[in-house]
Formats: sequence, structure tokens, C-alpha cells
Amino acid sequence: EIVLTQSPVTLSLSPGERATLSCRPSQSISSSLAWYQRKPGQTPRLLIYDTSFRATGIPARFTGSASGTHFTLTINNLEPEDFAIYYCQQRTSWPFTFGGGTRVESK
Amino acid sequence: QVRLEESGGGLVKPGGSLRLSCAASRFTFSDYSMAWIRQTPGKGLECISYISRDGTTIHYADSVKGRFTISRDNAKNSLSLQMTNLRAEDTAVYHCAREGPTWFFDYWGQGTLITVSS
Repeated sequence: EIVLTQSPVTLSLSPGERATLSCRPSQSISSSLAWYQRKPGQTPRLLIYDTSFRATGIPARFTGSASGTHFTLTINNLEPEDFAIYYCQQRTSWPFTFGGGTRVESK
Repeated sequence: QVRLEESGGGLVKPGGSLRLSCAASRFTFSDYSMAWIRQTPGKGLECISYISRDGTTIHYADSVKGRFTISRDNAKNSLSLQMTNLRAEDTAVYHCAREGPTWFFDYWGQGTLITVSS
């Protein structure tokens, strides 16, 4: 099973700042990684798929990237509605696995 | 707007059984693979079962293999999860989710809570 390690667990930032979230897989997953946003009382929302492609309707301030086996979600110019929990997920091999999440909270 | 609605959750004793259903609407159900994903405070999000659009490919997580059975009825736009020999560690919110054109989960149901306790 591919384990995804997300860091940090919590990120405390102010609106307008940049959030940088990390996801490290325990083995190579090529580019088959997605990021989801989850707010209280809502279902997860697909933000990024295949490492760097924004899903339909996702604002350009959300950017996905990778360097080697290290994947990053960057949120530029944080908006109030961006404070949420973010999860990465791989589908390179079954079982599809999720990271433990990073909570982006308002400082 | 795509709609996925789970039902069938509740309180069940260890060793008991339960059947979850997911009613899909506002999209062509037979065109999409589906999955059951559960969330617990301790283990986070866990994709426990997956079924291809025609039902010929099925996967189970090791944690539920041999105890849970996924199925679908494309004529009724319905996804099911038969759960047997339930354990305390199966306590979670269970979501059905659609695997979208991106091959990731683009729509999720709100979930149904299963509590396994004596």
C-alpha cells in the first residue's frame, strides 16, 4: 500500500498569504495524484488532478506541482473561503490512498 | 447537478451486518466507476471498495476483504455495499463517490454513519 504523508498537519496563515502544502508518497506514483479540499459539513471537492491540472471551476490561485516524488499544493493569496482541510490522494495502484490531511487555518 | 445519496447506516453490534445503498441521479450512472470511501477520526479517508462501470472490475481494501461486497445496478442507478461481520473499527462515515473523467473522485455523497458497538 502506498502511504501518503502530508505536512504540515496544520498551517496557520492570514488571508492574502501563500499556503504551501506537501504530500510525500512512500513509493513512486508517477503523476497520478490529486488534491481535495474539505470544509465542515461539505463533501471533498476535487481541486487538482494528475499533479497539476485544475479541476473544473477551480480558481487559478490553486497550483499543483511535483519535484521528484515530492508533491506540492500551493494556494496563492489565500481567500477566507480557502481555510479548510486539504487531502492528497493517489490512484497509481490499488488501494487508492489518501494523505492524513493538512488543516489550513486562519491565524 | 450530480447527486449521490447514501442510506442504510446506523448502530449495529459487533459481528452484525448492514447494507448501504447509494442512489445516483442527474448523470448517466452506467458510464462511471464508483467507490465507497469511509472516514474515521483515527484513520482519515480510506477507499475501501471500487467497482468499474460495468461491474467487471472490483477491488477491496484488505481491511474489508472477505467481509464486504460491493455491487451496482445500472438499471436502477444504484450502488450497494453489503457489510458483514462488522467490527468496532468499521465505525465511520461511509461515502459513495464517483470516479470522474479525470480518474479521480469528482462527486461524493454526504455520507452515512455506521457505528459498530455493543
